[in-house]
Amino acid sequence: AQTVTQSQPEMSVQEAETVTLSCTYDTSENNYYLFWYKQPPSRQMILVIRQEAYKQQNATENRFSVNFQKAAKSFSLKISDSQLGDTAMYFCAFSGANSKLTFGKGITLSVRP
Amino acid sequence: DVKVTQSSRYLVKRTGEKVFLECVQDMDHENMFWYRQDPGLGLRLIYFSYDVKMKEKGDIPEGYSVSREKKERFSLILESASTNQTSMYLCASSLSTGRLIYEQYFGPGTRLTVT
Repeated sequence: AQTVTQSQPEMSVQEAETVTLSCTYDTSENNYYLFWYKQPPSRQMILVIRQEAYKQQNATENRFSVNFQKAAKSFSLKISDSQLGDTAMYFCAFSGANSKLTFGKGITLSVRP
Repeated sequence: DVKVTQSSRYLVKRTGEKVFLECVQDMDHENMFWYRQDPGLGLRLIYFSYDVKMKEKGDIPEGYSVSREKKERFSLILESASTNQTSMYLCASSLSTGRLIYEQYFGPGTRLTVT
């Protein structure tokens, strides 16, 4: 079974600085997707970024980028120029051949003004 | 934009009551999911459905059942609510690419309190 590990329960960053959220996963599959989701306080969960395992190039979406290390099974999220609106819980998720998403336990990110 | 809606944002029920949580999506997605979210435990999959009238157990199906009579609607049923089912319930839908689930779109959640 796949597992997704987010080892840091909380992080804090100063506005305008860069922060990296870490995620590791365990799988024997070769073809899969990885996701980062954001859940702002009392608001809906939304997709931040997606990475296909067969793509070597790291995905980017504006201020959000990933560092995908397939051999190391690592999938970290970098948030550049942090904004107050980035304050949220962030979940790393894995999609594999069992047709389910497996989520990590999440990390609470606080952006300080 | 994909829209996933849930019937209630907040719900308070008594122990032993039968509880229905409804979820509707408007993007013709074949897959639908029910999760519960608890502090420190992340999201745990209760049930999912990959087609009308089809369902599969997730990681924590005990005490729950589901119904999917129409493609756009997926219901979660607590047959006899208990206090340990107090939680945030999230519904999601997605497309597939083969057996892989593409990104999921989530509803706003239902915060259920069982007293």
